[in-house]
Formats: sequence, C-alpha cells, structure tokens
Amino acid sequence: EVQMVESGGGLVKPGGSLRLSCAASGFTFSNAWMNWVRQAPGKGLEWISHIKSKSVGGTTDYAAPVKGRFTISRDDSKNTLYLQMSSLKSEDTAVYYCTTTLGIAAAGFWGQGTLVTVSS
Amino acid sequence: QSALTQPRSVSGSPGQSVTISCTGTSSDVGGYDYVSWYQQHPGKAPKLMIYDVNKRPSGVPDRFSGSKSGNTASLTISGLQAEDEADYYCCSYAGSYIWVFGGGTKLTVL
Repeated sequence: EVQMVESGGGLVKPGGSLRLSCAASGFTFSNAWMNWVRQAPGKGLEWISHIKSKSVGGTTDYAAPVKGRFTISRDDSKNTLYLQMSSLKSEDTAVYYCTTTLGIAAAGFWGQGTLVTVSS
Repeated sequence: QSALTQPRSVSGSPGQSVTISCTGTSSDVGGYDYVSWYQQHPGKAPKLMIYDVNKRPSGVPDRFSGSKSGNTASLTISGLQAEDEADYYCCSYAGSYIWVFGGGTKLTVL
C-alpha cells in the first residue's frame, strides 16, 4: 500500500525558514517523480514544485511564487522527499502535500499534508 | 501562469448527471492532453479521479468521465450519489514541467 507521511510543519515568523519532509513507502521511491502541492486555508490547490528521478537527472522545477525561496530535494536511500523553505511570507501559509506523479502531469497519490503557518 | 477557470459551484439530484468545466488557454488545457481532475472531501487530501483528459485510475467508478474540447476540459459525473458531494479541481500541464490548477468547484448533491 502506498503511503506518504509529511512532517515538519508548524508556526514560523515571516522571513524564517522551515524544512518539510515526506516519508514514502509502498512503491519504488527512487523511480518516482515527486511533487509538492499546497492549499491555503479555505482556498484551492497550487502546484509549487517537482523533482524527477535521479535516473533522468533529478532535475527540479518551481512555480513562480516560490522560485528562488524554496528548494525541493530527495534522499532515495531514505525514501524521503524534502522541501526547504526560506524567506517565508504570510501568503505561504498553507497545508503542504507531497504527491507522486502519474504520467506527465497528474498527482497519483497524496500524503495527508502538513500545515505551515507564517505569522508574527 | 493564471489559474484555470472553474464554476464556483454546481448541483444535482441523486441519479442525475452533472458536468464541471475547466477553461484555460492554448498554453495549457488547449496545448496538451494532460488534464487531471481531483476530488476533495472536507478535511481530507485530494484524490485523483481522471488523468490525461479521460483516463480513470484503478478503483475510480466509471460514473466519472473526462473530455476536452479546445481550451476547455470537462468532468462529467453520471448517476450522482450522495458521496460525490465534494470539491473538484482540474489541473493542466502548462509546459516546462509546470502544472496549473483550477480554482475548484463545490458540488452539492441535493
């Protein structure tokens, strides 16, 4: 059974940093292309980042609002996906989900999410 | 990249069919056959219902179907059931491995 468990969320001040983790199991993580998708309270979904498998270069992509501030990475030896967030803003407040990629552009499986609150 | 446009809400009675539209541009919906749809119940993580415009993942009932014409994609739910009441989001590939979501549609089963 596919499982993904996010952790690392919490309350952080504007300008601060936070690292999210996503522990995956039930599939071959090293072959998976992975994403982070977020959802602000009461709002819709927003794709923010993507990382390919190392077999095809492990390249990364970011949505404009987080480019230059967020860094996605992976540790295939630990079956874990990461999101390093810096220079956090109030508008980054959201539940952050990690997802697998199905095909080119579909989020196949989702974790339960972790809440990040940016507030002074 | 602007969000895709979805109606804020739709409704239908049990047994009826409803269709949710998702309008983008030639740079996203119209340019690629990579539209997906997600169902989200309150307090839960989203669930993939349709991918690549009209493919259903294993376990998704065939009451759910997807289509696309030009810059508009659609999700149709036939034989509406009470448990279908949820928020629905569309998503499209927009090139360069960028994805864009719609604003979401609240489906009410009357």
